[in-house]
Amino acid sequence: EVQLVESGGGLVQPGGSLRLSCAASGFTFSSYWMSWVRQAPGKGLEWVANIKQDGSEKYYVDSVKGRFTISRDNAKNSLYLQMNSLRAEDTAVYYCARDEGYCSGGSCSFPSFDYWGQGTLVTVSS
Amino acid sequence: QSALTQPASVSGSPGQSITISCTGTSSDVGSYNLVSWYQQHPGKAPKLMIYEVSKRPSGVSNRFSGSKSGNTASLTISGLQAEDEADYYCCSYAGSSTSFYVFGTGTKVTVL
Repeated sequence: EVQLVESGGGLVQPGGSLRLSCAASGFTFSSYWMSWVRQAPGKGLEWVANIKQDGSEKYYVDSVKGRFTISRDNAKNSLYLQMNSLRAEDTAVYYCARDEGYCSGGSCSFPSFDYWGQGTLVTVSS
Repeated sequence: QSALTQPASVSGSPGQSITISCTGTSSDVGSYNLVSWYQQHPGKAPKLMIYEVSKRPSGVSNRFSGSKSGNTASLTISGLQAEDEADYYCCSYAGSSTSFYVFGTGTKVTVL
């Protein structure tokens, strides 16, 4: 059974830092792209970042570029999101999601997020 | 990159069919057959319902179907049931040189 379990959320002051983790099990972690998706309280979903199977490619939504860093440790079946210079607008539930992206013959396709964790709440407030 | 546009709410009676639209641009929905749909019950994680415009993952009821025309994708729920009451979000790949993925604004489905 595929499981994604996020941790590391909490209350942090504006300008502070936080590192989120996602522990994966039930599938070959190193074979999949992985994403972080967030949802502000009472709002919709927003894709934040994703990372290729070997960590060689990373992409971010414009609003977090230069502040957030996605990484992974395939030996530990874990995904991370280092969040620096946090702002009030970063307050959200952060979900770890398995990204079904794949690349073949020089082209890539990104069809969906097929499994999601339960999320971890990040609150940025003084 | 702006969010894809969905109606804020859609309602229907049990047994009826409803359709949720998802309007993007020629840079996202219109360029790729990579639209997915997610169902989210209150306090829960999203669940994949449709991928690649019209494909259903294993275990998802065939009452859910998807389609696309131009820059607009649609999710149809037929034979509406009480358990279908939830928020629904569309999502499209938008290219690796832009915002990569863009989600819809979300639609609250109410079963009357």
